Amino acid sequence: KQEVTQIPAALSVPEGENLVLNCSFTDSAIYNLQWFRQDPGKGLTSLLLIQSSQREQTSGRLNASLDKSSGRSTLYIAASQPGDSATYLCGVWEQGAQKLVFGQGTRLTINP
Amino acid sequence: DTGVSQNPRHKITKRGQNVTFRCDPISEHNRLYWYRQTLGQGPEFLTYFQNEAQLEKSRLLSDRFSAERPKGSFSTLEIQRTEQGDSAMYLCASSAQGPLPQETQYFGPGTRLLVL
Repeated sequence: KQEVTQIPAALSVPEGENLVLNCSFTDSAIYNLQWFRQDPGKGLTSLLLIQSSQREQTSGRLNASLDKSSGRSTLYIAASQPGDSATYLCGVWEQGAQKLVFGQGTRLTINP
Repeated sequence: DTGVSQNPRHKITKRGQNVTFRCDPISEHNRLYWYRQTLGQGPEFLTYFQNEAQLEKSRLLSDRFSAERPKGSFSTLEIQRTEQGDSAMYLCASSAQGPLPQETQYFGPGTRLLVL
């Protein structure tokens, strides 16, 4: 059974800092991994999708990496801003399945 | 239509009542998913449709839960005889069937259910 873990559960940093969020998964047989953002009481917004054959994806100030063999992904946020405050979730799509398996999320707070 | 929509956004009900939620996916998407999310946790998969066919159901989906997607367009999720443990955010997502193994899922805003 695929299990996804995100560490830390919560993170608070001053505005302008670069930061890294971590996601680990137990079964390396995956199609892809997605990073999402969730604002309080809202749905999920897709940030980046990395296919299993890829090592990283970039979008603006966000960079996601994938090391499938070690079961790890990181989301790097450069020059953080207060508007980046949200919960960040990673979801893994394992082979043979028709669903995403999510971690519990990292609640990020950027202090002005 | 630029995204996935869900109605209602909030629902408060008494234990034992039935509730029904609706999801309208992005119009050209043939795949539709339901997830449940409790406070402080990530979403958990409930069920998946490809067009009108329900192809996968989680063990979380007890016999009190039923989902439909008539004509492969909108979907409904019904919970019968609600229990306090059903209180959660119910999320719908859709994706297109493209050339890659699995495509990006786009999520709706969710329906927050509170069972008193």
